[in-house]
Amino acid sequence: EVQLVESGGGVVRPGGSLRLSCAASGFTFDDYGMSWVRQAPGKGLEWVSAINWNGAYTHYADSVRGRFTISRDNAKNSLYLQMHSLRAEDTALYYCARVLVFSTSQGYYFDYWGQGTLVTVSS
Amino acid sequence: DIQMTQSPSSLSASIGDRVTITCRASQGISNSLAWYQQKPGKAPKLLLSAASRLESGVPSRFSGRTSGTDYTLTISSLQPEDFATYYCQQYYSTPQTFGQGTKVEIK
Repeated sequence: EVQLVESGGGVVRPGGSLRLSCAASGFTFDDYGMSWVRQAPGKGLEWVSAINWNGAYTHYADSVRGRFTISRDNAKNSLYLQMHSLRAEDTALYYCARVLVFSTSQGYYFDYWGQGTLVTVSS
Repeated sequence: DIQMTQSPSSLSASIGDRVTITCRASQGISNSLAWYQQKPGKAPKLLLSAASRLESGVPSRFSGRTSGTDYTLTISSLQPEDFATYYCQQYYSTPQTFGQGTKVEIK
């Protein structure tokens, strides 16, 4: 059974940093690209970032490029999101999601999702 | 970025009703469209990909169709477990973008 378990969320002040983690199990982690998708309270879904199977390719939404860094450790079956210069508008539930087919030439969709970890940016 | 306009934003329906949700893409996306279901407090669940391909384990009352740049999700006979919010997502190009969601409520 595919499982994705996020952690690392919390309350942080504007301008602060936070590192999210996602522990994967139930599938061969390094066969898949992975992604982060967020959902602000009471709002819709917004794709944030994605990484291919070996970390050679990373993609970012314009809203986070230059502030967030996605990475992975295949030996630990783990995905990460390092977030810097956090803003109030980054407040959201952050989901880790598996990318069925990672592409560098077009978009992709997500076949499994974790339960999310909540990031609150507030003074 | 490709904009996905989803309608309606909410609807009320009864058990057994036929329900249709529409997503309109701002440009052609060649059936590169996925539908997700999200129940309160839960993660989204993939229902269909490639506009009409039902994912394993998803009931056959869910179906998807394409008409030009309009994509529809139909639930043929609404069941109690179908009350949720539904999102479309295009993956024709990056950044992949989602519709605003349609909340299906009990009448």
